[in-house]
Amino acid sequence: GNSVTQMEGPVTLSEEAFLTINCTYTATGYPSLFWYVQYPGEGLQLLLKATKADDKGSNKGFEATYRKETTSFHLEKGSVQVSDSAVYFCALIFTGGGNKLTFGTGTQLKVEL
Amino acid sequence: NAGVMQNPRHLVRRRGQEARLRCSPMKGHSHVYWYRQLPEEGLKFMVYLQKENIIDESGMPKERFSAEFPKEGPSILRIQQVVRGDSAAYFCASSRGPNSGANVLTFGAGSRLTVL
Repeated sequence: GNSVTQMEGPVTLSEEAFLTINCTYTATGYPSLFWYVQYPGEGLQLLLKATKADDKGSNKGFEATYRKETTSFHLEKGSVQVSDSAVYFCALIFTGGGNKLTFGTGTQLKVEL
Repeated sequence: NAGVMQNPRHLVRRRGQEARLRCSPMKGHSHVYWYRQLPEEGLKFMVYLQKENIIDESGMPKERFSAEFPKEGPSILRIQQVVRGDSAAYFCASSRGPNSGANVLTFGAGSRLTVL
């Protein structure tokens, strides 16, 4: 079956530090890949996505590149802010698969001054 | 343009009671999905519905849980005879369709169920 594996958290960084949250997937075929963010007490918001190999999704300074050869979609940001503190979920979906997202377990990010 | 609306945001029930969670999809969206987030875990798919039809319920527990999306009104996730293990955040999402170009779900803020 399909699955998504994320690095465990919490990840604690100082403001302006570089962020990497690892995500790898197992799937038959080539899914679309997503990063969602969940701020405290809120629902999930789409952060970025990539629909095919070598695509780079980007938004709000965050980036992730769809690497078919390593089945990975690592999330990166060059300089994090306190306001980036949240839980980040990696997810995959197959077009035509009923939009059934498969999520990783989430990685909590804490950014301190 | 309101997003996905879920209510109640917080619900407290005693063991054995019933819980009803409501979800109104985004305007223009006719497909609804329910996910459950247990403490310290990621979201797990429960059920996917279109108006008046259940398309995929492979993630629904076999007993006590049911979902509907009537022709008029919100989608409802119903949990009968709740137990402590049902305590979780229940998220609803909507989309235009299974093969919509954006292929993206819009999530609501969730309903947090606490079973005492």
